[in-house]
Amino acid sequence: AQSVTQPDIHITVSEGASLELRCNYSYGATPYLFWYVQSPGQGLQLLLKYFSGDTLVQGIKGFEAEFKRSQSSFNLRKPSVHWSDAAEYFCAVGPARTVNNDMRFGAGTRLTVKP
Amino acid sequence: GAGVSQTPSNKVTEKGKYVELRCDPISGHTALYWYRQSLGQGPEFLIYFQGTGAADDSGLPNDRFFAVRPEGSVSTLKIQRTERGDSAVYLCASSQTKNTEAFFGQGTRLTVV
Repeated sequence: AQSVTQPDIHITVSEGASLELRCNYSYGATPYLFWYVQSPGQGLQLLLKYFSGDTLVQGIKGFEAEFKRSQSSFNLRKPSVHWSDAAEYFCAVGPARTVNNDMRFGAGTRLTVKP
Repeated sequence: GAGVSQTPSNKVTEKGKYVELRCDPISGHTALYWYRQSLGQGPEFLIYFQGTGAADDSGLPNDRFFAVRPEGSVSTLKIQRTERGDSAVYLCASSQTKNTEAFFGQGTRLTVV
């Protein structure tokens, strides 16, 4: 069965510092991978997605993620964090091309940004 | 529509009552998903529709939960004999096809007292 692990429940970084949020997945086929952000009182917003091709994916708000098949990882990065990036971040694995199931989410990583 | 719309935004009900939660997906989106998000948790998959049919309902926790999408557009999640443990935010999402980006609604916050 597919699953997603986000090892860090809570991360605190200083504004302007770099950020990396970890995501590991378990999947029996080539996965589709997503990162979503959820701000307080807001809906889930897609940051970026990986379906195929270039393993380094650029997203909105200056985020990027790299798919590493050998490590079953899809870590999210940002070179310089802004105070407005404080939110909950969710990694998700999507349905395989041949299996009729659906996205599964990790438990999330809460990001706090210090001034 | 402009986005996925969920109604009501908040619902308080008494234990044992029946509730219906509605989702209006983006027009033309064939895939529709229901998720449940408890406090401090990631969204938990409930059910996925492709058109009118439930393609995957493996996430429904028990037979008190049921969802329909009779015309392939609006979907209703129905919960019978609600329990306090059903309290959560219920999220709906839609996508153009199965493997394209899913857009989420704001959710319905269900509180069972």
